Amino acid sequence: GESVGLHLPTLSVQEGDNSIINCAYSNSASDYFIWYKQESGKGPQFIIDIRSNMDKRQGQRVTVLLNKTVKHLSLQIAATQPGDSAVYFCAERRVEYGNKLVFGAGTILRVKS
Amino acid sequence: KAGVTQTPRYLIKTRGQQVTLSCSPISGHRSVSWYQQTPGQGLQFLFEYFSETQRNKGNFPGRFSGRQFSNSRSEMNVSTLELGDSALYLCASSLGQTNTEAFFGQGTRLTVV
Repeated sequence: GESVGLHLPTLSVQEGDNSIINCAYSNSASDYFIWYKQESGKGPQFIIDIRSNMDKRQGQRVTVLLNKTVKHLSLQIAATQPGDSAVYFCAERRVEYGNKLVFGAGTILRVKS
Repeated sequence: KAGVTQTPRYLIKTRGQQVTLSCSPISGHRSVSWYQQTPGQGLQFLFEYFSETQRNKGNFPGRFSGRQFSNSRSEMNVSTLELGDSALYLCASSLGQTNTEAFFGQGTRLTVV
């Protein structure tokens, strides 16, 4: 079936360090790739997205990189803070399927103080 | 502005029963999508409604159904509940037909016993 990011790794980083969360996707026809953050007891929260015709996009403290050659997506978080501790999901969307999102399994980010 | 509201937050049902979950999207948003989140399968797309019409449907049995009302509020129904239906059900609200940024509610935690 459809899949984005089959693994659920855990990433532990020291507060103040940079974090890099990775995601492998399988559908090369995707139009958008999106990162979501989910904190305990809450629904996913949009972080940043990137169109398939781009390879890099920056936000506030976050950068998303897209490598279509190897079907790889990454989220870089600068100066990681305790409040960044959460599960991070990559997701993909195809415009022809409206707002349907296909999510990866997620990565747990733990920030050590 | 108010976020996405899902009711109830928690629900316990018995096998064989049916359940209805409700979602009120952000004011002005016309698209509502539903997702099932479980530890084993992650976030799985159920269906999307836009202007009272189902636009997309995921790979779930016919026991899972939904609808959207003229005020964009949406309900999903699960009939003949099974133990495996225990999950967090999330509703996502989007402004239009093709928007990357989906806003999620906190979800309804359904436990089937």
